[in-house]
Amino acid sequence: AQSVTQLDSHVSVSEGTPVLLRCNYSSSYSPSLFWYVQHPNKGLQLLLKYTSAATLVKGINGFEAEFKKSETSFHLTKPSAHMSDAAEYFCVVSDYGARQLTFGSGTQLTVLP
Amino acid sequence: DGGITQSPKYLFRKEGQNVTLSCEQNLNHDAMYWYRQDPGQGLRLIYYSQIVNDFQKGDIAEGYSVSREKKESFPLTVTSAQKNPTAFYLCASKDTVETQYFGPGTRLLVL
Repeated sequence: AQSVTQLDSHVSVSEGTPVLLRCNYSSSYSPSLFWYVQHPNKGLQLLLKYTSAATLVKGINGFEAEFKKSETSFHLTKPSAHMSDAAEYFCVVSDYGARQLTFGSGTQLTVLP
Repeated sequence: DGGITQSPKYLFRKEGQNVTLSCEQNLNHDAMYWYRQDPGQGLRLIYYSQIVNDFQKGDIAEGYSVSREKKESFPLTVTSAQKNPTAFYLCASKDTVETQYFGPGTRLLVL
């Protein structure tokens, strides 16, 4: 069985400072892991995905995530926050061959001027 | 320009009424999904379809129905049996490497 825990429901950072959004997962098999971003009243946009290639995954808009199997984590980072990064972020897991994705409950990122 | 479209953007339902949400994709994906999103609860799977003329219930299928007569289309009907339909509904399709792509969503409100 697969599950995802996003450790923070809300994160606030100042513009220009680093962003860290934390995600732990549980998976029976070799998982695929994703981060999606959602702006208010919009659909979800894929930021990046891990599918058993390089453990450090680079995504769009300067975001990246590192897959750590020993810690069952897939934290999302960005060196310098921008006001346009303010949104809700979802960590998602999919077991190999699974027909469904499992979504975390989301982390709301606020960027302060 | 490939993508997923959902219509309408906002939909109002009267008590006892069935309403249908549209989802169309031109990505040539076989699999399509419907999710419901409530504040603070992430996304929950309503129905999914792996191929034309086939679909399966997700975690919260009660009060909903779907059809999959064409590869491009996966409409969702919210029936009168769904007692709490107010939510944001998202449609997605999946490519061959397990990545799902989402439409812009439909917000359903009850009058």
